[in-house]
Amino acid sequence: DAGITQSPRHKVTETGTPVTLRCHQTENHRYMYWYRQDPGHGLRLIHYSYGVKDTDKGEVSDGYSVSRSKTEDFLLTLESATSSQTSVYFCAISERGAEAFFGQGTRLTVV
Amino acid sequence: KNEVEQSPQNLTAQEGEFITINCSYSVGISALHWLQQHPGGGIVSLFMLSSGKKKHGRLIATINIQEKHSSLHITASHPRDSAVYICAVRRGTDKLIFGTGTRLQVFP
Repeated sequence: DAGITQSPRHKVTETGTPVTLRCHQTENHRYMYWYRQDPGHGLRLIHYSYGVKDTDKGEVSDGYSVSRSKTEDFLLTLESATSSQTSVYFCAISERGAEAFFGQGTRLTVV
Repeated sequence: KNEVEQSPQNLTAQEGEFITINCSYSVGISALHWLQQHPGGGIVSLFMLSSGKKKHGRLIATINIQEKHSSLHITASHPRDSAVYICAVRRGTDKLIFGTGTRLQVFP
């Protein structure tokens, strides 16, 4: 199995609080992604990274920021959590021309 | 219109049936992925295709680049095949764009 872990796996937080999700990889893959998965929408890209300090927005980036200071870590921050950000969040890693590997997901509930 | 469309959205089958899930896309791609997600579970890569056909056990994936279409076939389906199957395409910037998935239920 590819070495990719997400933390935490579950989190309940209050509206308006900041939340940070962590994705850690041991594969030295260049590309890292954050997706959210919601019923009826499938997986939607929030942000992705193509190298240390190199990030770009996906289709649902509003309200989220990311940072990648090391190859192995990609952090997703909800600056001020809202109920609409209740979702399951998946991190993925890949290299060009290779398969993508996914973390186990983080179930986030904003109350 | 989504860049990646899957059909059907839901599929039920009896054990032993041959199953086909379709994926059509509207953009230029460098590769297409088929993924599997069991209920409450993580996402597992089944295939990555850039041309032709691949087979793994009872699973077969094909792609027609000219027609922008891919199919995932399951032969001799089994209840443990019940899952959501997701098609994703990789564009030049290496972003993965996903279809909304096909929910398959196989009954004994």
